[in-house]
Order: sequence, then structure tokens, then C-alpha cells
Amino acid sequence: AQKITQTQPGMFVQEKEAVTLDCTYDTSDQSYGLFWYKQPSSGEMIFLIYQGSYDEQNATEGRYSLNFQKARKSANLVISASQLGDSAMYFCAMREGQDNFNKFYFGSGTKLNVKP
Amino acid sequence: GAVVSQHPSRVICKSGTSVKIECRSLDFQATTMFWYRQFPKQSLMLMATSNEGSKATYEQGVEKDKFLINHASLTLSTLTVTSAHPEDSSFYICSARDQRGHEQFFGPGTRLTVL
Repeated sequence: AQKITQTQPGMFVQEKEAVTLDCTYDTSDQSYGLFWYKQPSSGEMIFLIYQGSYDEQNATEGRYSLNFQKARKSANLVISASQLGDSAMYFCAMREGQDNFNKFYFGSGTKLNVKP
Repeated sequence: GAVVSQHPSRVICKSGTSVKIECRSLDFQATTMFWYRQFPKQSLMLMATSNEGSKATYEQGVEKDKFLINHASLTLSTLTVTSAHPEDSSFYICSARDQRGHEQFFGPGTRLTVL
């Protein structure tokens, strides 16, 4: 089974509006971490936000917030007030456990296009 | 935040040659680094986990004799693509985890083109 599922291959959003990028995950671990990364056309992976499985509050980082619904195993990324520079690929990822060597599982990504 | 560099950023080589890609953590020590490859419009696929001072752990389906990984110090891991073929052309990305935090920091990637 897929560890991370992103069901939206592509999304469009009007500049200054909010957009939600979906992510569901599958794990039987109690301890895990959820991440969102942005990958512009240059290829670099830019860390956006992190949510730990034991965190009770949804993570927020500036215009980014993570809608963490543990029972539904979803970790959607919300981008508020979209900007043209937000156009990029967005990847949801999960790390099971807390150990340093635990690998990341990436979703297939969502390509976000922000329209002026 | 922590910085991870990769060198070279882009390489073009002839089929049959070997190519070495370096991954460095610039301001932190990384006992573990990860190597990924990414085909166009696809996700990152983990190739191997590189552990300082020991052998790398390869994912299923990744040929360890073809993709040689050396993690000789706490700040440097290298990936060597041996006897490269056109199908090895891809975007290779390394990452390292800063033990002070949760996230992995990624290098800027290396685009390999094998002619």
C-alpha cells in the first residue's frame, strides 16, 4: 500500500486566494512525522512545515498551515493568500519513528499553478 | 537553517563513464545522509541510506555495484554512478538530517545526462 497519497496531480488557484493540497498517509506506527516540501522548477527541495504525530495543535509557518486530522490520517497543506511565487510542485512526506536513519516516504506530488 | 550542498549541479557524460556526485552538510554533522533520484514529473525515490563509517543500505531494486556510496566523514557522502548509461539520466538529490531538528535538509540536486 502507498505510504503517502496525494490525489491532486495539478491544482489552480487565483492569486491572493487560499488553496488546500491534500495528503493522506498510511502507517501503523504511533510515532511519525509529516512534512511538506516545495520544489520549484530549479529542482531544490524547500522545507515548508512539519507536524509530529503527538502534536496536538496544527502546525503553522507563516502562510502555511497543516490541517492534521489524525483519525482520518490526513495532513493537508493550506496556503493562504497565494502568491505567484507559490507556483511549484508540492510533496507531502512521512517519516516513521524518530530515529535519525528512518527514511522518508514521498507522495507523488501536486503541481500548483497560481494565476494572476 | 542547515545547508546541504551538492557538486556538481549538472553533469553530462558519455555512456560507459563513471560520475561522482558529492553531498556535503555545510554547518552541521550528518551521521546519516540519503540519496534520491527523481525522473521528470515524478516523485523522489529513495535509492539508499548512507551511514558514516559503515556500508550504505540500498533500497530494493537499486544496484549497489552500480551506485557506489561512500560516507567517509560526518559532512560528506559521495554517490558514484559507475559505467553510466542513458537510462541513468536523472535528477539526483541528497539529504541529511540535522539532529537538532526534525526536518531533512536537501541538497540542490545534480542533473545527470548520459549521452
